[in-house]
Amino acid sequence: DTGVSQDPRHKITKRGQNVTFRCDPISEHNRLYWYRQTLGQGPEFLTYFQNEAQLEKSRLLSDRFSAERPKGSFSTLEIQRTEQGDSAMYLCASSTGQLNTEAFFGQGTRLTVV
Amino acid sequence: RKEVEQDPGPFNVPEGATVAFNCTYSNSASQSFFWYRQDCRKEPKLLMSVYSSGNEDGRFTAQLNRASQYISLLIRDSKLSDSATYLCVVNMGYQLIWGAGTKLIIKP
Repeated sequence: DTGVSQDPRHKITKRGQNVTFRCDPISEHNRLYWYRQTLGQGPEFLTYFQNEAQLEKSRLLSDRFSAERPKGSFSTLEIQRTEQGDSAMYLCASSTGQLNTEAFFGQGTRLTVV
Repeated sequence: RKEVEQDPGPFNVPEGATVAFNCTYSNSASQSFFWYRQDCRKEPKLLMSVYSSGNEDGRFTAQLNRASQYISLLIRDSKLSDSATYLCVVNMGYQLIWGAGTKLIIKP
């Protein structure tokens, strides 16, 4: 499978714990996005990378959230001191970044904070 | 005003009917546009790009109206399998902006 892959698919954690998600984009894609989606809403932008550089972060991304893409390939999203409001689907997408090219999504990581 | 707005629906449509949704965007500098389909609890998947001249893919037709700043999706001869949420996406060049989606339910 040469698509975008995310791991884990599901994560249940206790409030206050830290969690880390991984995303492996399509190999030739230099742009990588993280989104959060809750029920009945479209994906909300969190952050994106152009290669290893994190170019933009949403104001939704509190200081408890951090994302990295150290070698410009895979990326990790860490949430520290999780809260119940962090429960959502976390989607990763990648694209070539060129105009008129679409983004391809991974299957997402569904986080439940109990 | 949201940057990208869609009627959330749901649109309840009998099988075989034609249905259309619009998506409005606020930034005239928007560069490219897409429709995605999302099934329940699955990731969004690209349905089609939207070109300035309009484009068709089988039963699906997408159009762009830059003057009025909206894109549309028309589905003809709807099938039960078309039931899903349809999300429009606006590419700002540096970021993809998503609508919240329109839910479509096709009824037998």
